[in-house]
Amino acid sequence: DAGITQSPRHKVTETGTPVTLRCHQTENHRYMYWYRQDPGHGLRLIHYSYGVKDTDKGEVSDGYSVSRSKTEDFLLTLESATSSQTSVYFCAISEGTGDTGELFFGEGSRLTVL
Amino acid sequence: GQSLEQPSEVTAVEGAIVQINCTYQTSGFNGLFWYQQHAGEAPTFLSYNVLDGLEEKGRFSSFLSRSKGYSYLLLKELQMKDSASYLCAVIDSNYQLIWGAGTKLIIKP
Repeated sequence: DAGITQSPRHKVTETGTPVTLRCHQTENHRYMYWYRQDPGHGLRLIHYSYGVKDTDKGEVSDGYSVSRSKTEDFLLTLESATSSQTSVYFCAISEGTGDTGELFFGEGSRLTVL
Repeated sequence: GQSLEQPSEVTAVEGAIVQINCTYQTSGFNGLFWYQQHAGEAPTFLSYNVLDGLEEKGRFSSFLSRSKGYSYLLLKELQMKDSASYLCAVIDSNYQLIWGAGTKLIIKP
């Protein structure tokens, strides 16, 4: 199994508070991703990173920011959480794209914004 | 726009064979993945197709027709542990992954 861990695994917070989710990998994979998963929707990409300090937006990036200061860590921050950000968040890693783009997922972080 | 269509739910009987379909319309094509996701868990990789035809892996097979924008996952000798959601995802011309909403497979004894 790929070494990828997320923290926290569960969090309940109030609207308007900042939240940071952490993804840590021990595989030295170049690419890291943050997805959210909601009922009736496929996995939706929030942000991704293709190297240290190299990040880009996904399809649902509004209200989220990311940082990658080390190869192994990718942080997702909600500056001011809203109820629409209640979701399950998955971090994923891959060696490359295309035929080397197999994703390995973390266990998920369930976030509830009240 | 880009889209992937999968049935939301499929029901089958233990020991039988089931096919889960995925049709796609994307800007370009650079491969298709199938993932399995048990309830409350993370998705895990099942298969990758980039050329037309059938790829077999034990009880699971995946088929691709690029001209028809179509793939299916075939599960044989169904077991109760195969109850899960099955996600297809296509790599588009920009090497971005486009995901379907997933198909929930319900297996009855």
